[in-house]
Amino acid sequence: DAKTTQPNSMESNEEEPVHLPCNHSTISGTDYIHWYRQLPSQGPEYVIHGLTSNVNNRMASLAIAEDRKSSTLILHRATLRDAAVYYCILRDNIRGGADGLTFGKGTHLIIQP
Amino acid sequence: NAGVTQTPKFRILKIGQSMTLQCTQDMNHNYMYWYRQDPGMGLKLIYYSVGAGITDKGEVPNGYNVSRSTTEDFPLRLELAAPSQTSVYFCASRARGDEKLFFGSGTQLSVL
Repeated sequence: DAKTTQPNSMESNEEEPVHLPCNHSTISGTDYIHWYRQLPSQGPEYVIHGLTSNVNNRMASLAIAEDRKSSTLILHRATLRDAAVYYCILRDNIRGGADGLTFGKGTHLIIQP
Repeated sequence: NAGVTQTPKFRILKIGQSMTLQCTQDMNHNYMYWYRQDPGMGLKLIYYSVGAGITDKGEVPNGYNVSRSTTEDFPLRLELAAPSQTSVYFCASRARGDEKLFFGSGTQLSVL
């Protein structure tokens, strides 16, 4: 899978929007962009995924750059419960070989009350 | 729905002992995965399965074995436990054609 680059940590205030960046300059045309988050002492939780167009769901929005070399996860109104490690992951669902997602270290999001 | 269930939640092993980490899912998912997560690190894929009777190695398979005799269950076997296998183990599953992975709550394993 192509690599992603995320900041180690970010801090935001409660009830404010949060923009979590991810760079993936070597992304291929068939790579999906996935976001997962991991709350303390829990397993990862799916947040959102997309291919080319921006995506919205009840948890977040995913904004994908036109050249697809970067993306941003947007939490519209952060709460203390959103404090977690956020992982940006690319997955090619076309090619053969090992299945599964490759998790990096992610971004540790800190929410201040 | 129970989702993905892992047992036990915690276990301490002595060096050289063996054990099986259990994982079961009730969503009729074809794909199942085992990951390990060392402190402060991301998850690494150990083994995965695309359906009953089919398993394949991931990034870090050495020291582990898996089997997939049913769609629901995907146990991970540790033979001759070593301190390097101290980690948190996560099982996950997804449906064919769906990109969304569902994870269990993990098994924290210490080998002393």
